[in-house]
This record gives sequence, C-alpha cells and structure tokens, in this order.
Amino acid sequence: EDKVVQSPLSLVVHEGDTVTLNCSYEVTNFRSLLWYKQEKKAPTFLFMLTSSGIEKKSGRLSSILDKKELFSILNITATQTGDSAIYLCAVLLNQGGKLIFGQGTELSVKP
Amino acid sequence: KAGVTQTPRYLIKTRGQQVTLSCSPISGHRSVSWYQQTPGQGLQFLFEYFSETQRNKGNFPGRFSGRQFSNSRSEMNVSTLELGDSALYLCASRPRGGSTDTQYFGPGTRLTVL
Repeated sequence: EDKVVQSPLSLVVHEGDTVTLNCSYEVTNFRSLLWYKQEKKAPTFLFMLTSSGIEKKSGRLSSILDKKELFSILNITATQTGDSAIYLCAVLLNQGGKLIFGQGTELSVKP
Repeated sequence: KAGVTQTPRYLIKTRGQQVTLSCSPISGHRSVSWYQQTPGQGLQFLFEYFSETQRNKGNFPGRFSGRQFSNSRSEMNVSTLELGDSALYLCASRPRGGSTDTQYFGPGTRLTVL
C-alpha cells in the first residue's frame, strides 16, 4: 500500500530557530513530491520536487529530495510566527492526479 | 487569475440525506481532483476528473460520486450521509492532465453530518 510518513508530527520552536521537517515515502509509480503549507484554510503550494539532489529554495524555505533513500526534507530558517501552520508532504503518482498525503507536521513558532 | 472556488463553504446535514458540493477550477485548468480531510485520516484522495471523464478513484464507497462539466466545473455528491462523512472536502485543479502539473487547492467545503 502506498504511504507517506512525516516526522515529527508536531514541533514547537521560538522565532529565529531553524527547523527541519521530514517526509519519507513508499509508493509505486512515484512521479514527484510536493510540499504544502496549510493554515486554517486550503493548502497552499510550496515546492514540487522531481529530481534527486536538486534543492528548491523560496526565501527562508528550502527543500530537497533523495529518490534513492525515498525521503525529502523541508527546511525553514529564521522562523517567524507567521510560519506556524501544518506542513503537508504529498507524493504525486504516475497515474493521473492522485496525491498521497502524509499526516502533516504541525509547526508552532513562539515569539 | 481567480483561484479555485468551492461552494458552499459550510454545510450541515443529517444522517441519511444527500449532499452536492461544487468546485470551479482556475480558469484554463481542465483537471479537478477531490480530497477528504479529517483529523483522524488526514487528506485522502477521492477522485480526479479530466475532460469530463473520471480518471482515477480512491478507496471510498460508491456513495461518493462526482462529475465534471464541459466548462471543467465539477460536482461531488455524497448520498446516504453517515456521521463519519463529516469532513473538510477540498478540490484541487491543475492545467492539464499531465502528472507534472502542480495542484492548486480551493478553500474547501466544511460538511457536518448530525
């Protein structure tokens, strides 16, 4: 059965800290891995990773994929209270638009 | 460009009733996927439509069905509602049917079944 596992499930840090969120997967027909941020509304897209070893960056956020070890990490540097959210990792399968989601990591950034 | 829109945003129903949710994708997007989000199960894939055809289906009972219209708008129907159907229903759209396209989510419909 296809599955995506995220760790930790929750995390509390202080502003300015750096955090690393983990995502491992076991799926057949892997196409790409996506990261989303969800506050009290719809998930918003952060990154899509298809190739191993190529880091994607957007401001203080960055992510990388290891297709050999079947995992990805999402790094957030110099965290801010606005980074508080649930971060979702999802794997897109080759068969159409099916996304398999992990449980999410709930990040809380304290001032 | 306007984002994905979903209506209604909130819905309260009783067991045994049926419900229809609507999703309008981003203009120009032809693929629409539906997901159910619950605290216990997280986000789970329901089905995907592309060019009015269901291309993929998740592991949900037949009470969950959907369709897509020629303008790419999609509807999802749940019949004989159960308490466990209470969830946030999200729809996502992407431009084409190709697997490399990013999916963009709508705000969701919060369904409560009493």
